Amino acid sequence: GAGVSQSPSNKVTEKGKDVELRCDPISGHTALYWYRQSLGQGLEFLIYFQGNSAPDKSGLPSDRFSAERTGGSVSTLTIQRTQQEDSAVYLCASSTGEQETQYFGPGTRLLVL
Amino acid sequence: SQQGEEDPQALSIQEGENATMNCSYKTSINNLQWYRQNSGRGLVHLILIRSNEREKHSGRLRVTLDTSKKSSSLLITASRAADTASYFCATDGVDSNYQLIWGAGTKLIIKP
Repeated sequence: GAGVSQSPSNKVTEKGKDVELRCDPISGHTALYWYRQSLGQGLEFLIYFQGNSAPDKSGLPSDRFSAERTGGSVSTLTIQRTQQEDSAVYLCASSTGEQETQYFGPGTRLLVL
Repeated sequence: SQQGEEDPQALSIQEGENATMNCSYKTSINNLQWYRQNSGRGLVHLILIRSNEREKHSGRLRVTLDTSKKSSSLLITASRAADTASYFCATDGVDSNYQLIWGAGTKLIIKP
């Protein structure tokens, strides 16, 4: 596609529910990143995928967070048993490789009530 | 943890004036990138400057990098109302390989 796409654009859920956020990276980009941005803050790194290598999950804030990348393309970020502090904008980015420009999707705004 | 720190946190200027934003960081880097974000969404990449470069231009944007001071500046000349946004610097650290470390951003408001 022309750019990184994410869905849904907005998600409202109740505390304790599970949510899945989807990211479609730019075709051919081997690297995929998930970030979280709380209101008025900078970006917080969550997880990184590069090709077929094991992902770097060092930024995931708790074991309620997990992510997969199927076939080296689409990625899903799952948050189990959501908490109110999980409310944020979740951004996905892709790039042609390390140390290269990251191209961001529009983000998913998650609100946990 | 945040490595980049933007300065100032907020900046309000008249349309047509130049806007300068600064970024400081702590560790050695491969490159430093500036991004713009409108309305809390849609990060747009502006410029990437590598550690062996000192200055880069793109249209009305000018970025400088001083690795000895671990700082960078973003200059927007002849500002327009459409430049109103938050501007973030992100560093690709030598030891981090791929993680971009982000600052909290500078909120720029251009008054018509």
